[in-house]
Amino acid sequence: SQELEQSPQSLIVQEGKNLTINCTSSKTLYGLYWYKQKYGEGLIFLMMLQKGGEEKSHEKITAKLDEKKQQSSLHITASQPSHAGIYLCGADILSGTYKYIFGTGTRLKVLA
Amino acid sequence: GAVVSQHPSRVICKSGTSVKIECRSLDFQATTMFWYRQFPKQSLMLMATSNEGSKATYEQGVEKDKFLINHASLTLSTLTVTSAHPEDSSFYICSARRQNEKLFFGSGTQLSVL
Repeated sequence: SQELEQSPQSLIVQEGKNLTINCTSSKTLYGLYWYKQKYGEGLIFLMMLQKGGEEKSHEKITAKLDEKKQQSSLHITASQPSHAGIYLCGADILSGTYKYIFGTGTRLKVLA
Repeated sequence: GAVVSQHPSRVICKSGTSVKIECRSLDFQATTMFWYRQFPKQSLMLMATSNEGSKATYEQGVEKDKFLINHASLTLSTLTVTSAHPEDSSFYICSARRQNEKLFFGSGTQLSVL
């Protein structure tokens, strides 16, 4: 089973619509990161959240980390075709040793 | 900012050959490096954690003899796909970390095995 679950798995929205992607862990996260990617290409770092209750925004993207540091959401306001891609959350987890893993991913398509 | 260089970016090889992928931290010493693979329409799956000077820790289901990882220095880790087969075709990406700091990622290697 995946230790970092993302929902939804895929998302198709009309340009201009708002959307939210969630990332959930059963364990406390030691730092939660959001990335954007296209398959076969590198990762684009979006935001990093470390403190419970923290919220950050950049342009039309807002990310939050809940108080328990086990769930994060990524919200895009007034989506554009340029927002299309794969969104991944990533985090350090303690599973025997510390390791850095990614969520299951959310594929976003924005229709013009 | 810290830069991680991954080479090659793309490789095509015949079935049965071995392929080596390098991951270098250019301006810092990386105590830990991670290797991931990604299939189309899927997320990045952790393959192994590599600590300098010690054996890599492989994730469940990853064949140690198939995917050889060497972390011989604080700036270089290599992943060798031995006797590659078409099912090994995938996108491989590395990341490097300084002690207790954030991760920096390579740009990835697209492997195609014919």
